[in-house]
Amino acid sequence: AIRMTQSPSSFSASTGDRVTITCRASQGISSYLAWYQQKPGKAPKLLIYAASTLQSGVPSRFSGSGSGTDFTLTISCLQSEDFATYYCQQYYSHQTFGQGTKVEIK
Amino acid sequence: QVQLQESGPGLVKPSQTLSLTCTVSGGSISSGGYYWSWIRQHPGKGLEWIGYIYYSGSTYYNPSLKSRVTISVDTSKNQFSLKLSSVTAADTAVYYCARTGAGYSYPDYWGQGTLVTVSS
Repeated sequence: AIRMTQSPSSFSASTGDRVTITCRASQGISSYLAWYQQKPGKAPKLLIYAASTLQSGVPSRFSGSGSGTDFTLTISCLQSEDFATYYCQQYYSHQTFGQGTKVEIK
Repeated sequence: QVQLQESGPGLVKPSQTLSLTCTVSGGSISSGGYYWSWIRQHPGKGLEWIGYIYYSGSTYYNPSLKSRVTISVDTSKNQFSLKLSSVTAADTAVYYCARTGAGYSYPDYWGQGTLVTVSS
């Protein structure tokens, strides 16, 4: 099974910060990677698919990059509503999620 | 706008079978083009894909759960279902149903999730 490893597991940031989350696959997955945002008590929300394609309705401050085994999610200017947990997911071979990265208020 | 809604018992006894149903509205399962997924999240933990089904009945399961999982579809009711047998406390989780595009694809629409607790 393909393992997905996110880093960091959590961090604190301030509104307006530029933040980057990293996701690494245990084997190459081309660009078959999605990013999700999850808030407490809610279902995950799709942000990005195909590593870098923004889902309709998602603010442009979110962006994704990478291919193969290394991927990043960047939030260019953190807003209050962005404090949440973020998951990467590979869909190259069935589906596997990363363990999540919690973005907390500094 | 596609909507999904999970339903089923919130409490299951150990060794019994967990059964959940997902009702889809705003789109037809039988129109094809999508897999219909089950995903779970242990309390305070990450997400685990359980498996998915196509309208034709083709299924794909997570190898770690395959021996205990059955996913079925009822196109007449626009529903699909999950059965997980021989449950233990380790199966306590929020269970989500979701729509996944056919081929290489990802869940785009999710249900709100339902907590299932395994306890005597």
